[in-house]
Amino acid sequence: DQQVKQNSPSLSVQEGRISILNCDYTNSMFDYFLWYKKYPAEGPTFLISISSIKDKNEDGRFTVFLNKSAKHLSLHIVPSQPGDSAVYFCAASGRAGGTSYGKLTFGQGTILTVHP
Amino acid sequence: KAGVTQTPRYLIKTRGQQVTLSCSPISGHRSVSWYQQTPGQGLQFLFEYFSETQRNKGNFPGRFSGRQFSNSRSEMNVSTLELGDSALYLCASSPGTGGTSGSYEQYFGPGTRLTVT
Repeated sequence: DQQVKQNSPSLSVQEGRISILNCDYTNSMFDYFLWYKKYPAEGPTFLISISSIKDKNEDGRFTVFLNKSAKHLSLHIVPSQPGDSAVYFCAASGRAGGTSYGKLTFGQGTILTVHP
Repeated sequence: KAGVTQTPRYLIKTRGQQVTLSCSPISGHRSVSWYQQTPGQGLQFLFEYFSETQRNKGNFPGRFSGRQFSNSRSEMNVSTLELGDSALYLCASSPGTGGTSGSYEQYFGPGTRLTVT
């Protein structure tokens, strides 16, 4: 039962352009969402998060959009840089219905490659 | 602040043995969560400890256990190792208390790469 899905295994963009990574969830009890960046053999690095009371959160080049009715979130990176090349995971947590903020449910990840 | 540290970074064990992994959270963080990452299953939640008590548990067999000490450091133990336990084990810390902005982010350590032969 994949409650958080990242349907695109990979994404390739040109340096300077926008990268858009997508994530869908099925559990309506999730109310907090996070994006992480990960390099092989390292731990995930926290990028940005959003609460379900918001529909957008911005931090520098990173913006996360949340569409609760569609149970969809996306991460926009503008402008993309070669150093952004990594695996990106979305994760979800919540407080009710068997979920917990201490438990993150991750998507399968999207490999982003930014070409110079 | 220093980040989350995990020891050891690499470990090779034989099937049937047991292993203990250690995690030191960010200073002031009271919640420690553990995750297993494998190529086939992705990142999966093992359990979470808060103030020395297990607060949440994932769907792993009882061979996987953990504990947390009064200084918030945590250990996880895997007994009777199986080949399928080979994975990257990650711990993450967070303040663990809700209600304020930024309380729900988890910060990960570098992981322990466990290989079972």
